[in-house]
Amino acid sequence: AQTVTQSQPEMSVQEAETVTLSCTYDTSENNYYLFWYKQPPSRQMILVIRQEAYKQQNATENRFSVNFQKAAKSFSLKISDSQLGDTAMYFCAFMKPNAGNMLTFGGGTRLMVKP
Amino acid sequence: DTGVSQDPRHKITKRGQNVTFRCDPISEHNRLYWYRQTLGQGPEFLTYFQNEAQLEKSRLLSDRFSAERPKGSFSTLEIQRTEQGDSAMYLCASSHSDSNNQPQHFGDGTRLSIL
Repeated sequence: AQTVTQSQPEMSVQEAETVTLSCTYDTSENNYYLFWYKQPPSRQMILVIRQEAYKQQNATENRFSVNFQKAAKSFSLKISDSQLGDTAMYFCAFMKPNAGNMLTFGGGTRLMVKP
Repeated sequence: DTGVSQDPRHKITKRGQNVTFRCDPISEHNRLYWYRQTLGQGPEFLTYFQNEAQLEKSRLLSDRFSAERPKGSFSTLEIQRTEQGDSAMYLCASSHSDSNNQPQHFGDGTRLSIL
């Protein structure tokens, strides 16, 4: 079974600054997908960024980028130029393909962007 | 694309009552997932369907829980003889199975409170 750990329950960052959220996972699989999801207060969960384990290049989506270290089983999310709208819970998730594609989530990090 | 729709948004009931939630996935999505999220935690997988077939059930899904997707479109999740521990947000997600890269799209969830 896979496990996902987010060691930072809460973080805060000043508007326009950069923040990095940590995620580690444990698996014996070689092929898998990793995701970061954002859940704003009282709103639905939306996908921020995804990474395929067989790709060495780190994924980037505008202000969001990841640092994927496969050997270390680490998958951190960097948010650049933080905006007030980035305030949310952030969940790291693992997916093993070809087995239903269900997601295993970490416990989440609550990010507060301060003006 | 109207997104994943869940009904009701909130449900308050007394312990011992039965409750039923509904999820309408994105129309072209053939996979539908149910997750449970307790306060301050990440979502936990409960079950998933591909078309009308229920292909996987978590050990979290006790015999008081039953899910259906009779025509491969909307799904219902029923909890019988509710207990205090059933209080949680129940999230539905959908995706298409044509690629492992397809992300899951989440609904707003149904928040269940057991008195």
